[in-house]
Amino acid sequence: DTEVTQTPKHLVMGMTNKKSLKCEQHMGHRAMYWYKQKAKKPPELMFVYSYEKLSINESVPSRFSPECPNSSLLNLHLHALQPEDSALYLCASSQTSLNYGYTFGSGTRLTVV
Amino acid sequence: AQSVTQLDSHVSVSEGTPVLLRCNYSSSYSPSLFWYVQHPNKGLQLLLKYTSAATLVKGINGFEAEFKKSETSFHLTKPSAHMSDAAEYFCVVTLNSGGSNYKLTFGKGTLLTVNP
Repeated sequence: DTEVTQTPKHLVMGMTNKKSLKCEQHMGHRAMYWYKQKAKKPPELMFVYSYEKLSINESVPSRFSPECPNSSLLNLHLHALQPEDSALYLCASSQTSLNYGYTFGSGTRLTVV
Repeated sequence: AQSVTQLDSHVSVSEGTPVLLRCNYSSSYSPSLFWYVQHPNKGLQLLLKYTSAATLVKGINGFEAEFKKSETSFHLTKPSAHMSDAAEYFCVVTLNSGGSNYKLTFGKGTLLTVNP
């Protein structure tokens, strides 16, 4: 299995809702990532987990809450989002050496209304 | 510090003609370099990578790139464009510093348009 699977593919949520994005990989990668991508821009790093521990938080607002329950799963919990948080959210995984690059999922298209 | 500059924000070619997407990098250490492709509303797919082995790197779908240390460049080429190559392309760099480094540095992207 050489894929990163993200669910759901599309999500529309109100500003008072609570929702979660899910990401799963079975490549044995021990580093997992959340990225946010706005239209016509490169992805922006949000969080990095290494060996199931949060190692990087790029000053992301607390309305985004990551969770890594085990080495194969990564969640992003969303609460009280703003319309400007609408974007494509990408999950990725990698070996702990980045010589092999990342494997990205196909993303969740989030719209906040 | 490391940085990546993609010299063209938009490249337009005709089907069957060569493709050249330009990328220059800056890195204090020996870099690893990657090209990723992103089709509309899709995730990023790794096209090819350079990690200090052969300087001419072959990737998927007929793409290749040459690492030129003297020019700090890693340009992406393809001899003959296909309609399905139309997408956004990102040049990416990371450090080979020997320690744990999880950050990739992305260029701003080049939109490739292929005309029939």
